Amino acid sequence: EDQVTQSPEALRLQEGESSSLNCSYTVSGLRGLFWYRQDPGKGPEFLFTLYSAGEEKEKERLKATLTKKESFLHITAPKPEDSATYLCAVPNSGTYKYIFGTGTRLKVLA
Amino acid sequence: DGGITQSPKYLFRKEGQNVTLSCEQNLNHDAMYWYRQDPGQGLRLIYYSQIVNDFQKGDIAEGYSVSREKKESFPLTVTSAQKNPTAFYLCASSIGMAAGEQFFGPGTRLTVL
Repeated sequence: EDQVTQSPEALRLQEGESSSLNCSYTVSGLRGLFWYRQDPGKGPEFLFTLYSAGEEKEKERLKATLTKKESFLHITAPKPEDSATYLCAVPNSGTYKYIFGTGTRLKVLA
Repeated sequence: DGGITQSPKYLFRKEGQNVTLSCEQNLNHDAMYWYRQDPGQGLRLIYYSQIVNDFQKGDIAEGYSVSREKKESFPLTVTSAQKNPTAFYLCASSIGMAAGEQFFGPGTRLTVL
């Protein structure tokens, strides 16, 4: 069965303390892995799409990487405004549905 | 600016009432989706539509209904048959089904009184 697992569930960092969020997936024939940021009470905001192992994408303090089994969202020198829940998703291999992970709640302390 | 709008932002429903949540997009996307988000759970798919006048049930369609009469619009009705409707509802769209990233609206928070 296709699935997406994100870890850790929650992460607290001091400002400037770099870390990584993990998204593990099991799906046949990956047709993209998507990262989103979601602030409380708002809709998810699209960040990155990765299609093949070895691919990397960057945006400000965020860098997303992809292997054949997982994706990492690296946060370099985070700031309090990076605090949010980060979601990843993949299209299901057999249907047109997207499978979303439950997210990592990131809190960056000043 | 292109994007997805949802209204209202907050909605209160009494027991036994049907309510309709609005979703409009001007991205010229063919596919549209409705998700439900509950605390501690991932997004769960309610309904999706690949093209105008066509829609399919998702994983938790019971107690919900949709229509897709226009490409830009995909309203969701929460009926009185939905036993636990209090949740955050998200509408999304993509260029095609399972093709590329989905873009989300700001959400509607529905509370049953």
